[in-house]
Amino acid sequence: DAKTTQPNSMESNEEEPVHLPCNHSTISGTDYIHWYRQLPSQGPEYVIHGLTSNVNNRMASLAIAEDRKSSTLILHRATLRDAAVYYCVQWNFNKFYFGSGTKLNVKP
Amino acid sequence: EAGVAQSPRYKIIEKRQSVAFWCNPISGHATLYWYQQILGQGPKLLIQFQNNGVVDDSQLPKDRFSAERLKGVDSTLKIQPAKLEDSAVYLCASSLDPQGFNNEQFFGPGTRLTVL
Repeated sequence: DAKTTQPNSMESNEEEPVHLPCNHSTISGTDYIHWYRQLPSQGPEYVIHGLTSNVNNRMASLAIAEDRKSSTLILHRATLRDAAVYYCVQWNFNKFYFGSGTKLNVKP
Repeated sequence: EAGVAQSPRYKIIEKRQSVAFWCNPISGHATLYWYQQILGQGPKLLIQFQNNGVVDDSQLPKDRFSAERLKGVDSTLKIQPAKLEDSAVYLCASSLDPQGFNNEQFFGPGTRLTVL
């Protein structure tokens, strides 16, 4: 199975940038990297995805390493509402492989 | 636009009993997924449908779990008989096109199952 590895937890101050890392050393050339986040008692919510190039949207930025074995989700200004578990997901054809996620704590 | 609907939200049963979960995906979404999320872990894909056909069910414990998606819309996931280790949140998700570039998944709120 394709696997991603992430730190168990990270902490950030409100209104500061946050960089959430993910390793996906078994990634193949056609696998996309997706990021989802999950608030307590809710289903996961899509954040961003990419293949090779860095990606930006209204929620975050995704930086993918040149060898594609790692990526970083960037929240430019963390807010209290960004406190959640962030999952790095490797998409292999029709299969999504969720890692165990990083719990982000945002301090006011 | 209505999101993915799931019911019930919570269910408590005794081991060896049966239970069923229902999911209504976003209108027009061809692909439907069922995930199992054990406390403290990421979701694990159980089964994936495209329209009313099964694309992947390799991680579905077929001796006790079954799922169907009649008419390519709603889906039900059944466990019979339940075991203690089936206690988890069961998530349903849908996406417009699993093989296209834009394959964001939309998740429902989940059903929390407790097996006593």
